Amino acid sequence: DIQMTQSPSSLSASVGDRVTITCRASQSFSNYLNWYQQKPGKAPKLLIYSASTLQSGVPSRFSGSGSGTDFTLTISSLQPEDFATYSCQQSYSIPYTFGQGTNLEI
Amino acid sequence: VQLVESGGGLVLPGRSLGLSCTASGFNFGDYPMSWVRQAPGKGLEWVGFIRTRANGGTTEHAASVKGRFTISRDDSKRIAYLQMNSLRTEDTAVYYCTRVVRYGSGSTLDSWGQGTLVTVSS
Repeated sequence: DIQMTQSPSSLSASVGDRVTITCRASQSFSNYLNWYQQKPGKAPKLLIYSASTLQSGVPSRFSGSGSGTDFTLTISSLQPEDFATYSCQQSYSIPYTFGQGTNLEI
Repeated sequence: VQLVESGGGLVLPGRSLGLSCTASGFNFGDYPMSWVRQAPGKGLEWVGFIRTRANGGTTEHAASVKGRFTISRDDSKRIAYLQMNSLRTEDTAVYYCTRVVRYGSGSTLDSWGQGTLVTVSS
């Protein structure tokens, strides 16, 4: 199985900050990487797929990059509604594993 | 797109429970469907998925549930199912139904249900 490791596990930031979350895979797989946002008590929401493609309706302050084993999710200027947990997921090989999540706090 | 899970609840260890996911707003038969779970206070865990009928309707399951859980679908009713047998306390989680969208050789989960809580406890 491919192991997905996110860093950091938690992060404190302020409104207006630029934030980067990293996801590292235990083996290389091009760009088969998705990012999800989850708020407490809610279902996850797709933000980015194929490592860098923004899902329709997602604000442009979110961006993704990377290929191979190292991927990043960047929020260019944090807004109050962005404080949530972010998870990466690979879709290269079954099981389609998730990272453990990054809790972004105020 | 709307996905609505049902069937969660409290169940004794070793017993069975079936979840349903009723879909609307899209051509259900054209999409693979997946289940993802989240134990209390934990991260997301991929449970498995079912391919479209055009692609054989076959399934894949995570090792942690293989042989105990079965995913199926009824395209005429627009419902995906998760049959869970021999439940263990570690299966306690919120179970989400998701729609799978393929892009190139990859896939993503672009729509999620609200989730249904399954609690396995004596």
